[in-house]
Amino acid sequence: ETGVTQTPRHLVMGMTNKKSLKCEQHLGHNAMYWYKQSAKKPLELMFVYNFKEQTENNSVPSRFSPECPNSSHLFLHLHTLQPEDSALYLCASSQDLKVVNTEAFFGQGTRLTVV
Amino acid sequence: AQSVTQLDSQVPVFEEAPVELRCNYSSSVSVYLFWYVQYPNQGLQLLLKYLSGSTLVKGINGFEAEFNKSQTSFHLRKPSVHISDTAEYFCAVRHFGNEKLTFGTGTRLTIIP
Repeated sequence: ETGVTQTPRHLVMGMTNKKSLKCEQHLGHNAMYWYKQSAKKPLELMFVYNFKEQTENNSVPSRFSPECPNSSHLFLHLHTLQPEDSALYLCASSQDLKVVNTEAFFGQGTRLTVV
Repeated sequence: AQSVTQLDSQVPVFEEAPVELRCNYSSSVSVYLFWYVQYPNQGLQLLLKYLSGSTLVKGINGFEAEFNKSQTSFHLRKPSVHISDTAEYFCAVRHFGNEKLTFGTGTRLTIIP
């Protein structure tokens, strides 16, 4: 079992659907992240949470809504998405935002296709 | 602002040949540097990291990287590649006192049999 688990691995949804992506980490970390990886684009940081508090929102459209109920779980709620939102969504965790000399651990990602 | 440049978007290499993937960063303060690998349909996995100390860092799967402060570079090398090394490689930087981990655009390494 990997340290960071994402479900589902694949998701196809219509533009009017509502769905959620789930991320769980078993590493005892306090910081969690959502990244978007689109074809031929750099990895985009979407949201950052530290000790359950959101510390960064990189101008992400409101059709993406994150939720962090505790330090081990992170959700990304999706509604009325657009085809250009199709991408690989990666969750990551790290020890703590203030501990900068540590790496981030990534989940395997959710491949999202919006039709 | 911190940034990372990976000049080569694609690098084809023959099997058992050496490879170098280039990474340059911009910073005026101390940095922490990372190389990640992403295999097809997978998340990112840490290959190696430079935090302090020896400028030559060894990682998993026979990879190593050298931190060069004067050239602000952190190039990744492997003396002999295998088919299994086919993947995308990302360089990342975090500055001392900055919480954000900034990634490069990635280099796709293709191994030719």
